[in-house]
Amino acid sequence: KAGVTQTPRYLIKTRGQQVTLSCSPISGHRSVSWYQQTPGQGLQFLFEYFSETQRNKGNFPGRFSGRQFSNSRSEMNVSTLELGDSALYLCASSKTGTGYTGELFFGEGSRLTVL
Amino acid sequence: AQRVTQPEKLLSVFKGAPVELKCNYSYSGSPELFWYVQYSRQRLQLLLRHISRESIKGFTADLNKGETSFHLKKPFAQEEDSAMYYCALRGSSNTGKLIFGQGTTLQVKP
Repeated sequence: KAGVTQTPRYLIKTRGQQVTLSCSPISGHRSVSWYQQTPGQGLQFLFEYFSETQRNKGNFPGRFSGRQFSNSRSEMNVSTLELGDSALYLCASSKTGTGYTGELFFGEGSRLTVL
Repeated sequence: AQRVTQPEKLLSVFKGAPVELKCNYSYSGSPELFWYVQYSRQRLQLLLRHISRESIKGFTADLNKGETSFHLKKPFAQEEDSAMYYCALRGSSNTGKLIFGQGTTLQVKP
């Protein structure tokens, strides 16, 4: 079974630009969550999507947004990039319903550098 | 406020020594607690969860609601245990929202 796939793996942007990151969950997983990982703040929850609807949201500004498609693939977008947005963005998928264990399966992440 | 605290950024032990990675949490209710691990150049992955009360790779963790702790323990550390360990809390059931601690790097020296 293929794991969670994130693209692109690395990208460099400049301040003011916008970026879109993509996440393909494990087949059959309908929940996709996004996390930001930085040396200073650690792992912080951004948002979660389930059945194309945002189910939870973390404490991030409105510049951070996401969506989920009918095939459970998800994208997150960051507009008007700031230097502080430089981070590793992790996507995680989980199984829901019968057999749900609470385990999140993480991707390798997309490393964003803002110059 | 929901919070997970891992007081040690780095824990360095010798092979064969006991290991205890500390985790304290703040949550008003009955949370689910997890330990996730990230080995070098690998993805973050689940090590164990309190609800299953299992031992994985020799590691155990007991939820102490009185002390609001979920410390991870192993009686005899191995070099392959060297990794970054994250304690995480989930407040609501059936969601992907986890609150992570800052992580502890475990270094097991030969």
